Amino acid sequence: SYLLTQPSSVSVAPGMTATITCGGNNIGSKSVHWYQQKPGQAPVLVIYFDTDRPSGIPERFSGSNSGNTATLTVSRVEAGDEADYFCQLWDSSSFHVVFGGGTKLTVL
Amino acid sequence: EVHLVESGGGLVQPGGSLRLSCAASGFTFSNYAMTWVRQAPGKGLEWVAALSGSGNTTFYADSVKGRFTISRDNSKNTLFLQMSSLRAEDTAMYYCAKDLANVVVTGFDYWGPGTVVTVSS
Repeated sequence: SYLLTQPSSVSVAPGMTATITCGGNNIGSKSVHWYQQKPGQAPVLVIYFDTDRPSGIPERFSGSNSGNTATLTVSRVEAGDEADYFCQLWDSSSFHVVFGGGTKLTVL
Repeated sequence: EVHLVESGGGLVQPGGSLRLSCAASGFTFSNYAMTWVRQAPGKGLEWVAALSGSGNTTFYADSVKGRFTISRDNSKNTLFLQMSSLRAEDTAMYYCAKDLANVVVTGFDYWGPGTVVTVSS
C-alpha cells in the first residue's frame, strides 16, 4: 500500500520559516492535503489540493507538491503554530485514504 | 456554519459491537462524501472508512474491512459507523469528517470533536 513519510519533529525559532515534508512515490501526481492538530483538539485543514488555503487559515501557511515530495511551509512562525501536522492523500490505486505519520512542530 | 457531532462511543468488551453516529448540519449533507478517521492514544491519524454522498460507494481500511460498516441517512443528515468484533486495537478517538467532494474521496474540510471508543474487558 502507498506510504507517506514525514519527519517526526521539526523545530524552529519564532519568526523563522518551518518546512515540513511529506515523501511518497511520485506524490507529485497526487493531490495532497495538510492538517494541523493541537493537543486535545480535532484536526484542522490548513492546505488542500497541494496549494489551496481554506478561508480563515493565515497566508503564512503554504504548500507545494512535486516529484516525490510534498511540502508544507509555515512562514513567520508563531508560538500558536506549535502542533502536530499530518499530510494526507487519496490513493486511487488501492481506494484508500493515506495519512502520513505526523510531524510535531516545536516553536523554540 | 458546518457542524459535525459524533456520539455513541463508550466502553465495550472485546468481540462486542458499537454503533457510532455523526449528526451533520450547516451544509447539504447528501452533496458530500463523508469519512471516519480514528486516533489511538498518543498516535497518528488512521483512516477507517468513507462513503459517497449518495451512500452507494463505500471504502474501508484493511484493518476494519469485514468488521465495520459505514452508512448514512441523508434524510436525517446522519452518518453511521457500525462496529463489530471489536478488538483492543480499535480503542481510539473516532472522528467523522466532511469531504471536499461528493463522489470521490479527497480531503476533509470539517471535523467533529470526536467520540471515544474503549475496547477492554
